[in-house]
Amino acid sequence: KNEVEQSPQNLTAQEGEFITINCSYSVGISALHWLQQHPGGGIVSLFMLSSGKKKHGRLIATINIQEKHSSLHITASHPRDSAVYICAVQAARQLTFGSGTQLTVLP
Amino acid sequence: GAGVSQSPSNKVTEKGKDVELRCDPISGHTALYWYRQSLGQGLEFLIYFQGNSAPDKSGLPSDRFSAERTGGSVSTLTIQRTQQEDSAVYLCASSPTQNTEAFFGQGTRLTVV
Repeated sequence: KNEVEQSPQNLTAQEGEFITINCSYSVGISALHWLQQHPGGGIVSLFMLSSGKKKHGRLIATINIQEKHSSLHITASHPRDSAVYICAVQAARQLTFGSGTQLTVLP
Repeated sequence: GAGVSQSPSNKVTEKGKDVELRCDPISGHTALYWYRQSLGQGLEFLIYFQGNSAPDKSGLPSDRFSAERTGGSVSTLTIQRTQQEDSAVYLCASSPTQNTEAFFGQGTRLTVV
């Protein structure tokens, strides 16, 4: 069993829909990262969370430390949001990555 | 530039040759990470540098892989006697300290033929 599980693996949505991507982990962590990887391969860090909730534009990330679970929400989704979204947990010096969620937003 | 810079962006090499991949972290960032992403696979941790501490090399897949970080800034990942399974995108990231947000470079796409 992977230490970091993401769901769904693939998600197709219509423009404007509210999107949720989930991440569960099994180890104690110091922080959790949400990353976005575009088709060209470049990776952008969206959020780093150790508790609670963060919001940036249309993106919201939440984490529940007791339940070892985090969610990434996208409101009013747009085709430019199409990318792979990766959850990564930080414990000591290492980041352990989930397998990613491929999001496709159709116009 | 203000971001993490990696070079080259693409590298094609013959099996058995050595390659060096370079990472210029954001100025002042003390933490530097190397990862790789093989085709169809997730991101895999390779090595971590934090300041002047001994690096965490626990993710290096074999002794053909090594990395240095000179002067606490630029890092070089060296792969000796490359094999086809080394083909991947090699990503570098830096962060101000250990438990802060990481900033990623654009990666080096290595193809071993």
